[in-house]
Amino acid sequence: GQQVMQIPQYQHVQEGEDFTTYCNSSTTLSNIQWYKQRPGGHPVFLIQLVKSGEVKKQKRLTFQFGEAKKNSSLHITATQTTDVGTYFCAGQKGGKLIFGQGTELSVKP
Amino acid sequence: DAGVIQSPRHEVTEMGQEVTLRCKPISGHNSLFWYRQTMMRGLELLIYFNNNVPIDDSGMPEDRFSAKMPNASFSTLKIQPSEPRDSAVYFCASTQHGGGAGKLFFGSGTQLSVL
Repeated sequence: GQQVMQIPQYQHVQEGEDFTTYCNSSTTLSNIQWYKQRPGGHPVFLIQLVKSGEVKKQKRLTFQFGEAKKNSSLHITATQTTDVGTYFCAGQKGGKLIFGQGTELSVKP
Repeated sequence: DAGVIQSPRHEVTEMGQEVTLRCKPISGHNSLFWYRQTMMRGLELLIYFNNNVPIDDSGMPEDRFSAKMPNASFSTLKIQPSEPRDSAVYFCASTQHGGGAGKLFFGSGTQLSVL
């Protein structure tokens, strides 16, 4: 079946360092969404990318959607302790939204 | 808006017991999703509804699991009989775009422990 792979599984950074998580799909996606889940919380929507090659920015976060609409990345510049949590990509194909395994980010002050 | 409301927040039960999880989607949303989250398997889509109709239940683990959406404001996920391997956090999510095209709003989840 359709799979959405996300790497790395864990990332430990020093505050101020950059962070990137990558997402790959085995099939072409209609769109891709990114979510953040704080420890003990629930996933919260961050952004949706629809167009091939699309790049969107939210303050220190930069999201990219690949030209083939099979991969995506999230880059955080100069991480802060408030960035701690698990970041999930979710690819849509048909009516389904399939989540990657997530990347757990920890930030050392 | 109160957001997606799930109950109970925590459920501890014994193996073999029936468990019913409840969800109230955001008013006006026409798609509802049930996900299960575990460390090993991450966020798994169990089933989703469009306009109260189950569209895809291929993620439901086995016949012990069933889900209903009798109206636009209520859904249940039932496990009967429950087993220890069903222990997980169960999330309900809704969106106003049919087919899941829009962003999902998640409830706070039900932490299920089956002893």
